[in-house]
Amino acid sequence: DTEVTQTPKHLVMGMTNKKSLKCEQHMGHRAMYWYKQKAKKPPELMFVYSYEKLSINESVPSRFSPECPNSSLLNLHLHALQPEDSALYLCASSPRDRDTDTQYFGPGTRLTVL
Amino acid sequence: AQSVTQLGSHVSVSEGALVLLRCNYSSSVPPYLFWYVQYPNQGLQLLLKYTSAATLVKGINGFEAEFKKSETSFHLTKPSAHMSDAAEYFCAVSDGSDRGSTLGRLYFGRGTQLTVWP
Repeated sequence: DTEVTQTPKHLVMGMTNKKSLKCEQHMGHRAMYWYKQKAKKPPELMFVYSYEKLSINESVPSRFSPECPNSSLLNLHLHALQPEDSALYLCASSPRDRDTDTQYFGPGTRLTVL
Repeated sequence: AQSVTQLGSHVSVSEGALVLLRCNYSSSVPPYLFWYVQYPNQGLQLLLKYTSAATLVKGINGFEAEFKKSETSFHLTKPSAHMSDAAEYFCAVSDGSDRGSTLGRLYFGRGTQLTVWP
């Protein structure tokens, strides 16, 4: 099973709202990733958690706040977003296996900021 | 440093025709290479991966790719296109084999949109 789940599937929020995106995997993977993808573009890495510790923050604005409560869960807390933050937000996980370290992606959350 | 170039942002083929999507990579270490497919409003699905075993890699849905070190290429092919193959395809290289890396960061190409005509 290589399933990564994300909720919600769609989210519409105003610029003053606070919301959270959730990601879950039960494959025993030890690394989890958040990506942002704009239309017709490749995914852009935002954050990486490795063994539940934040390992990479790609200079993402502080209105995006990641959280990794345990090895299976990854959240992305959103506050005071801008319309240009509207995008598909993808979560991925990887086993941190020395041989392949393949990343498996979830279905994404389509975020619209009004 | 790792990078990927996908030649051709759009490729159109007729149903039943050969599919060829081109990918060239640049890597300072032996690369791990991946092809992902993305259908509209969905996440990325792994098609296949190269991790220094066989140079001809077979993936899902009849796709395969050949690693050619001399040409720094990892082109994706399928002998006979099907309407359901219409999607965006991303080639990616990982720095997971880099001894100095602990994170397996993926570097994506810009993507190739495949259209299949009936």
